[in-house]
Amino acid sequence: AQRVTQPEKLLSVFKGAPVELKCNYSYSGSPELFWYVQYSRQRLQLLLRHISRESIKGFTADLNKGETSFHLKKPFAQEEDSAMYYCALYRGSTLGRLYFGRGTQLTVWP
Amino acid sequence: NAGVTQTPKFRILKIGQSMTLQCAQDMNHNYMYWYRQDPGMGLKLIYYSVGAGITDKGEVPNGYNVSRSTTEDFPLRLELAAPSQTSVYFCASSSPGQEYGYTFGSGTRLTVV
Repeated sequence: AQRVTQPEKLLSVFKGAPVELKCNYSYSGSPELFWYVQYSRQRLQLLLRHISRESIKGFTADLNKGETSFHLKKPFAQEEDSAMYYCALYRGSTLGRLYFGRGTQLTVWP
Repeated sequence: NAGVTQTPKFRILKIGQSMTLQCAQDMNHNYMYWYRQDPGMGLKLIYYSVGAGITDKGEVPNGYNVSRSTTEDFPLRLELAAPSQTSVYFCASSSPGQEYGYTFGSGTRLTVV
């Protein structure tokens, strides 16, 4: 069963445009959600987590339990935001194990 | 501060050959994981470990084996390489109290021909 869904495999925007990467999850308990980013030829790294309610590199994500969503947003995309983004879910019952979505490749055009 | 170190970075195997992908972390993390990353498929968990001597299967364990004799090391063994195992392999670690954020290695790109 797909626990984390990222409906867009590819997403392209122009520099300065708003960007939203969608993530929906399946879990009836209290989830912990994360966004990971992988820049070209680099390792995956944690971008942000919902529990911290932080803004990293201008990105924010709000957990919406009613819609079971955790969309990643940035009001003004930059070329350096081009990367693969993964949404991940921790369900609290599997000792640290995260479930990853399939990823969204974001391209920001100049 | 090395974090998670994976070796080798690249490898080409012939069908039927065996190899071990190495993973070491120096953060004293209890939890370690092996994922494979295939285009359009995201990350699939192969095996994971919650401590030395304890391992368990993930979503796609067939064709792989692991061991965890120390907290630091978590090698992944491919016994009889098959073309379907062509992928990028990532090792990761985490620890309770870090809200389950992972630290990833830089990956191993494996091609089986």
